[in-house]
Amino acid sequence: AQSVTQPDIHITVSEGASLELRCNYSYGATPYLFWYVQSPGQGLQLLLKYFSGDTLVQGIKGFEAEFKRSQSSFNLRKPSVHWSDAAEYFCAVAAGDMRFGAGTRLTVKP
Amino acid sequence: NAGVTQTPKFQVLKTGQSMTLQCAQDMNHNSMYWYRQDPGMGLRLIYYSASEGTTDKGEVPNGYNVSRLNKREFSLRLESAAPSQTSVYFCASSEAPTSGSTDTQYFGPGTRLTVL
Repeated sequence: AQSVTQPDIHITVSEGASLELRCNYSYGATPYLFWYVQSPGQGLQLLLKYFSGDTLVQGIKGFEAEFKRSQSSFNLRKPSVHWSDAAEYFCAVAAGDMRFGAGTRLTVKP
Repeated sequence: NAGVTQTPKFQVLKTGQSMTLQCAQDMNHNSMYWYRQDPGMGLRLIYYSASEGTTDKGEVPNGYNVSRLNKREFSLRLESAAPSQTSVYFCASSEAPTSGSTDTQYFGPGTRLTVL
């Protein structure tokens, strides 16, 4: 079965700094990959997804992610973080059903 | 267009009590899902319904039952609640089953359940 690992439980960055959230997956074929964001007390909102084609995927709110097959990774990036980006971020892989990582909580320092 | 709605938002139960969590979507989606979210574990699929009239077990189905009442509604029932079922429950829907498709899942706001 597929699985997802998000190695960082909690990350703190300063406002305006760049951000990279890591995601590694385990699956035998090319999976469908997703990044979701969850603001406090809210449901999950899709940031972006990858299923084929260009390995650099653009999403909403200025986020992008790069699929690297050789590293089984799908890291999320943003060049300049805003205070409103503070939230929990989930990577997910879909292959039969959706499997989520444990999440990375992002804190943004003023 | 409300998207995915869930009721109730909060619930406290005693061990052994039963309850049903309700979920409805107004996007005419075929597939619906129930997840639980626990600290440090992300979301885990309890049950899903790929289409009206079908339901299938997910990763953690024990202690739960589901009903796909119609295309819009998908309920989750706890027959005899246990403290291990204390969690936040999310309902989601997608146009088609995730398997073999790239359809986005749209999530409701969640139900926070505490079992004493």
